[in-house]
Order: sequence, then structure tokens, then C-alpha cells
Amino acid sequence: GAVVSQHPSRVICKSGTSVKIECRSLDFQATTMFWYRQFPKQSLMLMATSNEGSKATYEQGVEKDKFLINHASLTLSTLTVTSAHPEDSSFYICSARQVGNEQFFGPGTRLTVL
Amino acid sequence: AQSVSQHNHHVILSEAASLELGCNYSYGGTVNLFWYVQYPGQHLQLLLKYFSGDPLVKGIKGFEAEFIKSKFSFNLRKPSVQWSDTAEYFCAVKSDSWGKLQFGAGTQVVVTP
Repeated sequence: GAVVSQHPSRVICKSGTSVKIECRSLDFQATTMFWYRQFPKQSLMLMATSNEGSKATYEQGVEKDKFLINHASLTLSTLTVTSAHPEDSSFYICSARQVGNEQFFGPGTRLTVL
Repeated sequence: AQSVSQHNHHVILSEAASLELGCNYSYGGTVNLFWYVQYPGQHLQLLLKYFSGDPLVKGIKGFEAEFIKSKFSFNLRKPSVQWSDTAEYFCAVKSDSWGKLQFGAGTQVVVTP
């Protein structure tokens, strides 16, 4: 149990376009989902926390208008990278958590912006 | 500001050798501590966690970690590693009741046959 999926696993896009990444909890309801960004050879950096039905809370330095997060249901959160640029190329990882329980991580999405 | 530091960025060792990875944090309040592993091409998986009680925590795959409050440390150990333990290991600290995790930089462990 406790499986989190992400789609797509890999995406390549042109500069200026928008990309949507989905995060789903497959066998449990996630009251909270988290979005992380991982640069090569570096750790995971929390971007934002989203609770179902409410606005996401962004970490300092993360542009909320650039990284749009929607947590429309207890099993789905989406991250949209708007007007992507090459510096947005990274590995994006989501995690999902039930109240009081541990976080379960998705497999990540590799974004490459040309 | 809270921080998590892992002492080694890259460790290479032979099969059957013992492994110890250091993790220190700076946070004065109550902490929940975690070690995650990321095998090549796979997602993060929880190895073990400490919330309270016995400071020596046993996890999956023969790993254990010891919480030493006075040293703000949560070191990961395995007495005898296998080639399949080749992976990246992340220490993480839970910062507040919302469950936000702060990760260390990670340690890449390579086990040679």
C-alpha cells in the first residue's frame, strides 16, 4: 500500500511553454501533499505544501505564480510550471501524507526545458 | 534556521564492510528524524524513523540509527553492507506539526563487490 505516482516521468518542452505534472496517491487519501525540487547531486528542496481544497503554502523564494499548485481532491495534486525556462529544468518530486502518518514519495518527474 | 547536515557526500566501500553515515541537525525543539534511501532510478523510500522512546531505532534491510539528543545527531549504521545497498541516503528532520521535512544534502554510497 501507500503508493504515490507521478505523471509524466519525463518531459521535454520548449522555453516559454507550460508543463503540468500530476501527483496521485493510489491507495490512500492524502490530506497533505508536498512538492520538492531536486537539483543534480543536491538534496530535495521543499517548494510548497498543499492541503486539499485550500491554497498551497509556498516556501520562501518559490514563485507562486510560476509554480501553480492545485490540490483538487484527496488523491490528486498538480504542479504547473508556467512559462518554463531552462533554469527550471530539474527533478520534481511529490509526496503525500495522511494525517499524522509518514510521507510517501512519488518517483519524480524529470523536466528538461530547451 | 533549522538545518540538517550530512558529513559525507560520497562513500565507497566493499561488500561486508560496516557503514556509518553521520547526520546532525540544528533545531532546539522536539524533532522527528528520518532516514530515506533512493536506489538508482527509484523513488525515495523510508529506511527508518525516530519519533520518541528508545533512541536506537531499527529499520528495514538491516539498517539502524541512534538518536543522541545531546549531540543533535541521528547516525545511520549497517554492520555489513551488500552490493544492493548502493544508493543515495538522505537524513531528514520534521520541522513542525505540518510534517514539513528538511533534508540533508544526501550521501552517495557505492558498495563494490
